[in-house]
Amino acid sequence: AQTVTQSQPEMSVQEAETVTLSCTYDTSESDYYLFWYKQPPSRQMILVIRQEAYKQQNATENRFSVNFQKAAKSFSLKISDSQLGDAAMYFCAYRSADNDMRFGAGTRLTVKP
Amino acid sequence: DAGVIQSPRHEVTEMGQEVTLRCKPISGHNSLFWYRQTMMRGLELLIYFNNNVPIDDSGMPEDRFSAKMPNASFSTLKIQPSEPRDSAVYFCASSFWENEQFFGPGTRLTVL
Repeated sequence: AQTVTQSQPEMSVQEAETVTLSCTYDTSESDYYLFWYKQPPSRQMILVIRQEAYKQQNATENRFSVNFQKAAKSFSLKISDSQLGDAAMYFCAYRSADNDMRFGAGTRLTVKP
Repeated sequence: DAGVIQSPRHEVTEMGQEVTLRCKPISGHNSLFWYRQTMMRGLELLIYFNNNVPIDDSGMPEDRFSAKMPNASFSTLKIQPSEPRDSAVYFCASSFWENEQFFGPGTRLTVL
């Protein structure tokens, strides 16, 4: 079974600075999808960014970008110009071609003013 | 669209009682997922459906848990009998095939 590992239980960043959250995964499949979800205290799960494994170009969504290293099975999230509203739990997720979805344990991000 | 709708938002029940959680996916989505979130185990996929058909229920913890999707716009997750260790937040999510999943607000279940 696929596993997703987030090795940083907690991270903190100064407002306006940049922070990178790490994620690695284990799979024998070649076709899959990767996601970063944000869960604020409201507990609503919000999609931040997605990456298709067949795409070499790293996905970008405004201040959020990923560093996708397929050979290393690494999928890190970079948040630029951090804002107070970015404070949340961040989950890395792997989705197989047949829809099986696995989440990492999460990283709690604190943003300091 | 109102997004994924879950009910109830909060449920408090006593051990041994039957609990039914409900989910209405986003119209047009053909995949539906049930997750459980706890501090100890994080987010766990319990079961998912494609076109109303259960595809993988290997995440369902015990026979006390069952899920149904009688049509494209409704699904239930039932726990019978409930136990205190079932206390968690249960999320429903839907997607159109392999596109991103949209999550409901969750149901916080407390079993006393």
